[in-house]
Amino acid sequence: QVRLQESGPGLVKPSETLSLTCTISGGYIGSYYWSWIRQTPGKGLEWIGFIDYSGNTNHNPSLQSRVTISLDTSKNQFSLILNSVTAADTAIYYCARVRRSSGRPDASDIWGQGTMVTVFS
Amino acid sequence: DIVMTQSPDSLAVSLGERATISCKSSQSILYSSNNRNYLGWYQQKPGQPPKLLVYWASTRESGVPDRFSGSGSGTDFTLTISSLQAEDVAVYYCQQYYSTPITFGQGTRLEIK
Repeated sequence: QVRLQESGPGLVKPSETLSLTCTISGGYIGSYYWSWIRQTPGKGLEWIGFIDYSGNTNHNPSLQSRVTISLDTSKNQFSLILNSVTAADTAIYYCARVRRSSGRPDASDIWGQGTMVTVFS
Repeated sequence: DIVMTQSPDSLAVSLGERATISCKSSQSILYSSNNRNYLGWYQQKPGQPPKLLVYWASTRESGVPDRFSGSGSGTDFTLTISSLQAEDVAVYYCQQYYSTPITFGQGTRLEIK
């Protein structure tokens, strides 16, 4: 059974960099997309971006150029870097597996438990 | 961006009764090449991540009880719970994955009346 687990600091200072890792257990990178999604009371669920098994990425333009998503197949992990954080980046961050169908991203069928990140000085 | 709008924002239904949640997309999410609607429904209980219930608008995920069903096409979609159980209390979200940025509805909170 595939499981995802987010890890990283729970507190980040304003203007600094948020860095999270998602570890995949019970399965492999395979031909899926691997995504990051965050959740806040105010904005609900917000898709951050994803990476595919080839390392191709796609991210939400609302986050401009602050986002980097990378993949480490040797460790069965993928990561999120979000630069220049502000209080608006305070959220629960989830990693999720995204199916692929007809060569396109599909539904997100497996989610990590989520990790709370607070931007706080 | 495709905007997903759910209604109602909250809903109270008696145990054993039917619950219906609507989701509308600001543009069609029907992929003509395979005639699939790129829409998913998720259930989120407190302190848990969202759980996939339905994909392609009407295909139930493995292990999901058959009281959950999805319908609709193009821009209008519905999630129906045919006979509400106590464990169905949750927030329900629709999601379009037709195009990026992938977007979610604002959520519908389902409670017991």
